[in-house]
Parts: sequence; C-alpha cells; structure tokens
Amino acid sequence: NAGVTQTPKFQVLKTGQSMTLQCAQDMNHEYMSWYRQDPGMGLRLIHYSVGAGITDQGEVPNGYNVSRSTTEDFPLRLLSAAPSQTSVYFCASSYSGQGYNEQFFGPGTRLTVL
Amino acid sequence: GQQVMQIPQYQHVQEGEDFTTYCNSSTTLSNIQWYKQRPGGHPVFLIQLVKSGEVKKQKRLTFQFGEAKKNSSLHITATQTTDVGTYFCAGLYSGGGADGLTFGKGTHLIIQP
Repeated sequence: NAGVTQTPKFQVLKTGQSMTLQCAQDMNHEYMSWYRQDPGMGLRLIHYSVGAGITDQGEVPNGYNVSRSTTEDFPLRLLSAAPSQTSVYFCASSYSGQGYNEQFFGPGTRLTVL
Repeated sequence: GQQVMQIPQYQHVQEGEDFTTYCNSSTTLSNIQWYKQRPGGHPVFLIQLVKSGEVKKQKRLTFQFGEAKKNSSLHITATQTTDVGTYFCAGLYSGGGADGLTFGKGTHLIIQP
C-alpha cells in the first residue's frame, strides 16, 4: 500500500494563478480531508469529505474548492492564489468519521505564492 | 469555535531528561488523539484516548486523559534524539460536528545532546 500520496511536493505560484493539489489514498477510506499548516498555528481544516460525492467546509475554506468523484481521490483547487495561501498543505484520510479513527497523513505539498 | 490549548510551545531538554506536553479544552472532549511530526515530515498518529481517566503507555511514552475529559498529557521518560519533533494533540468534541478534530498548536521538542 502506498497510503496517502500527494503531488506536487513543492510548488511556486504567482498571485492570481490557479492550481490543483492532488491527493490519493489506496486504503479504501471513506473520510478524507485537507489541512494547512502555518508556523505557530498548528493544523487547520480546510475541507473534508465523508464519501464520494460529499464534501463540506472546515475552519478555513475561503479561496479553496474541493470535489470527491471517487473514493480514492480528493483534489484541492486554489482558485486565485494569494500570498496568504503560502503554507504546507496536508491531505489526510481515515476509515470513517473524522476524529473517530486514526488519521493517515500524506507527505505534504509546500506551496509558495509570490 | 472550539479550541484546544497546548503548552508549552517549545521545550528544550538535555538528552535523558523527561518531557511533558499538556492539552486543555474548556469543554468536554469525546476523545483525544496524539500525533508526532518530525522536522520536515508529516504528522503520524501515536494514540487515541477515549475513556475518562485513561492512561496508556508506549515504551517511554505515557498518555493520560483527564477525569473530566477536558485535558490530556503526553510524558516522555528519558528523552532520546529520536524523540525530536512536534507533538500535537487533537480533540474531538462531543457530538462531533462539522469541524471534527481540533488540533492544538503543538509542542516543539528540542533535545540537546
């Protein structure tokens, strides 16, 4: 099992550009989520999904879109990148229900917006 | 929204000394999880505590969940250089809710050989 994979590992964008961060898991987990990690801020939930076709907002959803067309994939789209979105982004999955089971995190994408 | 306060933010210890990090919530938690993140790495699950007053051990690590289910601690005995990293607690509030887990801001453990 590859677990949770994320691409790309590093990305530099200019303000206003859009891009998609990819996340995939091969553990047949129903629950997937996206976090951003900023110095001194811990992990903050952006969006989550409880299954294919179902998504919802977390604590900091503004400027991001998600979709979940398959169980395996949960891409995160930045619509118009801003310097405030410079961060490390982690995708995570769990068997079911966030908080009820172990969260498996991907290796992260380090994004810089100039 | 709900907050989980974690202290200290940084902890410097000499190798071989003990280390403790604490998490506190103003409201009751359903459960609490602990994660470790090595420098440059991603969070890795350590343990989950569910019951009031629960104590669990993993080798040199001892995890506790308070009687009121509002606080938790992680204690490492005789730290080693492999313990370096950031330790996060993550609490789930009763009733779950859309936000699910709420992470503390983490404690950075720095070990001086």
